[in-house]
Amino acid sequence: QKEVEQNSGPLSVPEGAIASLNCTYSDRGSQSFFWYRQYSGKSPELIMFIYSNGDKEDGRFTAQLNKASQYVSLLIRDSQPSDSATYLCAVRRGYQKVTFGTGTKLQVIP
Amino acid sequence: DAGVTQSPTHLIKTRGQQVTLRCSPKSGHDTVSWYQQALGQGPQFIFQYYEEEERQRGNFPDRFSGHQFPNYSSELNVNALLLGDSALYLCASSVQGTGQPQHFGDGTRLSIL
Repeated sequence: QKEVEQNSGPLSVPEGAIASLNCTYSDRGSQSFFWYRQYSGKSPELIMFIYSNGDKEDGRFTAQLNKASQYVSLLIRDSQPSDSATYLCAVRRGYQKVTFGTGTKLQVIP
Repeated sequence: DAGVTQSPTHLIKTRGQQVTLRCSPKSGHDTVSWYQQALGQGPQFIFQYYEEEERQRGNFPDRFSGHQFPNYSSELNVNALLLGDSALYLCASSVQGTGQPQHFGDGTRLSIL
C-alpha cells in the first residue's frame, strides 16, 4: 500500500465548475496535510495546508480533512483554465519527512 | 525577501560522473530538505539537514550525500551517476520545530547521458 495515494487523472472539468481532488494516506499518525500545485516543468507551489479535521477555506480553494477515514481533499471552485496543473497531496507526521503522492492532473476545459 | 534559490537550473552529465547541486533557503529558514522527482512521479524525500547535520534520510543509497553550511545553505552530491538519476532535484526550506509548510525552490533538472 502506498503511503499517499491519489488518482493520477486526468480529471477534466469545464471552466466555472468545481474540481474535487482526493487523497488517502496510510499513516494514522500523520498530523499535517498539504496541497501543492505543480505546473509542467516547474516546482511545487503550496496551495493549502490543514492540520485539524474539518474544512479550511482560502479564496477559491477548500481543503477538507477526515483523519478517521484517512482522507484529505481539495475543492477548487469556479475552476479556471489557469488551474490546469498537477496537484500533489503531501502528509507529515510531527516534524518528520514530508511524503508526497504521485499527483492528480487537472484539466480545466474552456 | 528572497525565496529558495537553487543552482544550476539545468545540468547534463554522463554515467559515472559526480554532481553537486546547491540550495540557499528562504530568509529566516534553517532547515533544508532535498527531493528527487522523476517524470510523472511525486517528489521523493532524499534527506533533511538542520544545524549542519543530516537529521532524516529517505530510501536513497549512500551515493547521495549532502552538506549544510553555517549560513544554512546546502549542497546535494551524487556520485557514480546512473541513468536512473535523471530527474528534477528539488530543495525545500522550512523552520525547524514550527510545523509550518516547506517552500520549494525552482529545482535543478539533471539529465544523465
